Amino acid sequence: AQKITQTQPGMFVQEKEAVTLDCTYDTSDQSYGLFWYKQPSSGEMIFLIYQGSYDEQNATEGRYSLNFQKARKSANLVISASQLGDSAMYFCAMRGGVDDYKLSFGAGTTVTVRA
Amino acid sequence: DGGITQSPKYLFRKEGQNVTLSCEQNLNHDAMYWYRQDPGQGLRLIYYSQIVNDFQKGDIAEGYSVSREKKESFPLTVTSAQKNPTAFYLCASSIEWGGQNTEAFFGQGTRLTVV
Repeated sequence: AQKITQTQPGMFVQEKEAVTLDCTYDTSDQSYGLFWYKQPSSGEMIFLIYQGSYDEQNATEGRYSLNFQKARKSANLVISASQLGDSAMYFCAMRGGVDDYKLSFGAGTTVTVRA
Repeated sequence: DGGITQSPKYLFRKEGQNVTLSCEQNLNHDAMYWYRQDPGQGLRLIYYSQIVNDFQKGDIAEGYSVSREKKESFPLTVTSAQKNPTAFYLCASSIEWGGQNTEAFFGQGTRLTVV
């Protein structure tokens, strides 16, 4: 079974600074995908970025980038130039192998951006 | 606009009563999912459906039931057998049921409280 670990329950970041959210995963599959979602206080889950296990380059989407270290089974999310609207809960998720029918989620990290 | 609609947003239930949460999507997606979210925890899969007229138990299906009679609809019933039903429920869909890069789209959630 796949397992996602997010060790930072909460983080504070100053506006306009960058923040890194940690995510490690455990799987014996070779083919898998890693996702990051944002959950604002309103509750909906917003897809941010995707990284495939065979992708050679780290994924980037605007201010979001994924620091993928396959050997360490790490997929950290970097948010650059933080904005007040980035305050939310962030979830790392994984899909692949025998569990590719579902997304498996970590416990999440709450980010609070300070003005 | 295409998307997933969950209703109601807030739901109160007396102990011992069954209650049904609605989920409708107009994305023409084959796969649909129900997740449960508890405070400080990630999302856990309750049920999923790969295609109309078919559904499978997820990781925490006890006390829940679903149906998939139409492609666009996947209602979740929380039965009296569910011991601790107070939680935030999220419905999701994806274009297909499997594949490491298959993104899931989420509704805005239903917050269920047992009183």
